[in-house]
Amino acid sequence: GAGVSQTPSNKVTEKGKYVELRCDPISGHTALYWYRQSLGQGPEFLIYFQGTGAADDSGLPNDRFFAVRPEGSVSTLKIQRTERGDSAVYLCASSPSPAGELFFGEGSRLTVL
Amino acid sequence: SQQGEEDPQALSIQEGENATMNCSYKTSINNLQWYRQNSGRGLVHLILIRSNEREKHSGRLRVTLDTSKKSSSLLITASRAADTASYFCATEPGGSEKLVFGKGMKLTVNP
Repeated sequence: GAGVSQTPSNKVTEKGKYVELRCDPISGHTALYWYRQSLGQGPEFLIYFQGTGAADDSGLPNDRFFAVRPEGSVSTLKIQRTERGDSAVYLCASSPSPAGELFFGEGSRLTVL
Repeated sequence: SQQGEEDPQALSIQEGENATMNCSYKTSINNLQWYRQNSGRGLVHLILIRSNEREKHSGRLRVTLDTSKKSSSLLITASRAADTASYFCATEPGGSEKLVFGKGMKLTVNP
């Protein structure tokens, strides 16, 4: 597709469950970012990939959160033992160069009951 | 943590009026970006201004940057109801490559 694609668009899960959120960036974009956005707040940085490697994972809140980008394209954000406080919209963005213009997906809304 | 802080946090104006939003940040930057977000949607890039630029225009948008005051402003001229959205500034703190967003400013343009 032409834009950044995120799946699922909505995910409802129970506390303690494992969740995977997928991001398919724009073809050729080497930089990929994950953000988390709570209602009424700005996007909170989680992790940034340059190619296959995580260049900066300083925003991951704890070790329940993990992200991969094994082939330098699609990325998966993995959340273990979900908690109600993990409920938010998870945004993915890609860019042709680091710290350049970001192209965002529509987000994955996660609700933990 | 937030790097940029937008001011005001909310603004309501009439169609045709100008809207000005301010952003202050804390550390040195290479560039500053502005984004908009319609309710329930992803963010859309509006404009990027580099640290060696003072002003930039794009259509009805005018952005200024004052690195000595660590601040930027976004001016939307002749606003339209379709401009109703949240607006965010974003910077890379300390020259890092991660882009950090402010809390945003909600603009409402009344027809």
